Amino acid sequence: AQTVTQSQPEMSVQEAETVTLSCTYDTSESDYYLFWYKQPPSRQMILVIRQEAYKQQNATENRFSVNFQKAAKSFSLKISDSQLGDAAMYFCAYRSADTGNQFYFGTGTSLTVIP
Amino acid sequence: ETGVTQTPRHLVMGMTNKKSLKCEQHLGHNAMYWYKQSAKKPLELMFVYSLEERVENNSVPSRFSPECPNSSHLFLHLHTLQPEDSALYLCASSQSHSSASWETQYFGPGTRLLVL
Repeated sequence: AQTVTQSQPEMSVQEAETVTLSCTYDTSESDYYLFWYKQPPSRQMILVIRQEAYKQQNATENRFSVNFQKAAKSFSLKISDSQLGDAAMYFCAYRSADTGNQFYFGTGTSLTVIP
Repeated sequence: ETGVTQTPRHLVMGMTNKKSLKCEQHLGHNAMYWYKQSAKKPLELMFVYSLEERVENNSVPSRFSPECPNSSHLFLHLHTLQPEDSALYLCASSQSHSSASWETQYFGPGTRLLVL
């Protein structure tokens, strides 16, 4: 099974600053999808951004962008102009394009935004 | 946030109790999932249903019994649980179970379960 590693259990960022959350994964597949999910305290997990492995261009969604390094199997999330509402657990997830719809999640990074 | 709902939101039960968790999705999706979320561990996929048929069961103990009566509803029946089963149980849905697209899953708010 694929493994997803988030090596930063906790991160903090000053409001309006930029923070990068790291994610690495282990796979022998060439085609797959990567996701970042956000889980605010006591609220539902929602999709933040996703990337297709065969696309070299990094995905961007407003203040959220990724740095996808396929050879290094790295998929970091950059949050620019951090806001108080960005405080949450962030999960990185991997999904194969070939072998079913199972998502593999990391252990999460808890992000604190300091006013 | 109301696309996938779960009840109850919190549940405390003894090891001899029988209870059920309920999930309902209002998105017209065909696939539904149960996950277990424990602190400092990755989300663990428990069960997958596609068009009301179970397609995956990831070695989950028999004290957890899923039921999917239709594509909008998913239950998780619990009996004789152990304290280590205490966790957040998340339900999710997606348009299909196919791997041929990059569709995401939509999650419910979860049921926080405490087994005493």
